[in-house]
Amino acid sequence: QVQLVESGGGLVKPGGSLRLSCAASGFTFSDYYMTWIRQAPGKGLEWVSYISSSGSTIYYADSVKGRFTISRDNAKNSLYLQMNSLRAEDTAVYYCARDGGSLGFDHWGQGTLVTVSS
Amino acid sequence: QSVLTQPPSASGTPGQRVTISCSGSSSNIGSNTVNWYQQLPGTAPKLLIYSDYQRPSGVPDRISGSKSGNSASLAISGLQSEDEADYYCAAWDDSLNGQVFGGGTKLTVL
Repeated sequence: QVQLVESGGGLVKPGGSLRLSCAASGFTFSDYYMTWIRQAPGKGLEWVSYISSSGSTIYYADSVKGRFTISRDNAKNSLYLQMNSLRAEDTAVYYCARDGGSLGFDHWGQGTLVTVSS
Repeated sequence: QSVLTQPPSASGTPGQRVTISCSGSSSNIGSNTVNWYQQLPGTAPKLLIYSDYQRPSGVPDRISGSKSGNSASLAISGLQSEDEADYYCAAWDDSLNGQVFGGGTKLTVL
C-alpha cells in the first residue's frame, strides 16, 4: 500500500534552517508529482510547493519563495524540503502528498511538526 | 484570507443533508477542477472528491460534489456522527501558479 513518511521536523530558532524528508513506498515514485502542504496550529491547509515527476518543473507559494527549496531523489524514493531563513509564521505541521494533478492529493503522510521559536 | 471562500462552520442532525460551498474565481475554480478533502480531528487530510465530482474508492455515494461557474459544492446526505470533521476545497490557480485552498468548514453533527 502507498506510504508516505515525513521526518526532519523539530524546534529551530528564527533565521535557522531545517531539511524535511518524505520517504515514499508502495508505488512507482518516479511516476508521480509530489507536493508539500502545511498547516499552522489551529489553522487551515496551505499549499507550499510542487515538483514534477522528473523534478524539472517546480512551483512555490509566494510565502516561501526564495527561502524554501523542494527536491526529489527518484532513486531513493524520497522527497525533500530545504527550509532556510525560517520565521515564526513557518511554524506548522508539514505534510507531503502524492499529487495526482486533476485527481487530487490522493495520499498524504502523517505530517512532521516544525516549530520556529527563540 | 484564503483565495477560495468557504463558510467557517456548518451543522446538521443525523440523517440530514448538508452542503458546503466553495467560491473562487475564473483563474481557479472557473478554469480548473475542484478537489475536496476531509480532515478528522488529529489526523492528516483525506481526499474525498476529485475532478469536481468523482469519488475515490471507499468514499460512500452519500457524499457528492458539484461545480458551476466559479463555485463548487460538497454535499453529504444521511449525515452520520463520523462525518464530523473539517472540510477543505482546493483547486489550481492559473494566476498564482499554485494550488489554493479554502479556509475550511468545520462540520458539526448535532
